[in-house]
Amino acid sequence: KAGVTQTPRYLIKTRGQQVTLSCSPISGHRSVSWYQQTPGQGLQFLFEYFSETQRNKGNFPGRFSGRQFSNSRSEMNVSTLELGDSALYLCASSFGDLTDTQYFGPGTRLTVL
Amino acid sequence: QKEVEQDPGPLSVPEGAIVSLNCTYSNSAFQYFMWYRQYSRKGPELLMYTYSSGNKEDGRFTAQVDKSSKYISLFIRDSQPSDSATYLCAMKVDAGNMLTFGGGTRLMVKP
Repeated sequence: KAGVTQTPRYLIKTRGQQVTLSCSPISGHRSVSWYQQTPGQGLQFLFEYFSETQRNKGNFPGRFSGRQFSNSRSEMNVSTLELGDSALYLCASSFGDLTDTQYFGPGTRLTVL
Repeated sequence: QKEVEQDPGPLSVPEGAIVSLNCTYSNSAFQYFMWYRQYSRKGPELLMYTYSSGNKEDGRFTAQVDKSSKYISLFIRDSQPSDSATYLCAMKVDAGNMLTFGGGTRLMVKP
């Protein structure tokens, strides 16, 4: 069974631009969560989507948004990029049950110049 | 103070050693505990998942949870150079999929 896939794998943007990242979950998984990983802050939860609805949200500004499509694929968008948004953005998928485990994709490395 | 504390290491051990990795946490609402392994430039890979106090064993890995002390551990027996990676503990409360991670411990196993 194919794992979680994320595109693109690498991205370079400049301050003020916006970016859209894509995540395709494992087949059958209905929950997609997004995380930001930086050397200083580690892995931090951004938000979770389940059946096209945002179910949980972390403590990030409104510049970070996401959505989920009917086929469970998800996108996250960051508007008005700042230098501090440079990070590895990870997507994780699961069936969505409370006791379920999450499986991570390889991530998209975003560099903001 | 972070909700989940983890010694960043690096931890360097010889091949064949027993490795002990630990995390402490402050939020007593955490009910589910995980250990992930992350190789450089890769996404985290789930190693162990527990939801009760006590021990859980899987091959060379043993996860230990002590909810009364708010302390979890991962033991790796007969460590191999291929175990060299960053180990992340993660935990969640009983709703949704919001994981709270420790900062990760970098492990190096030398041949």
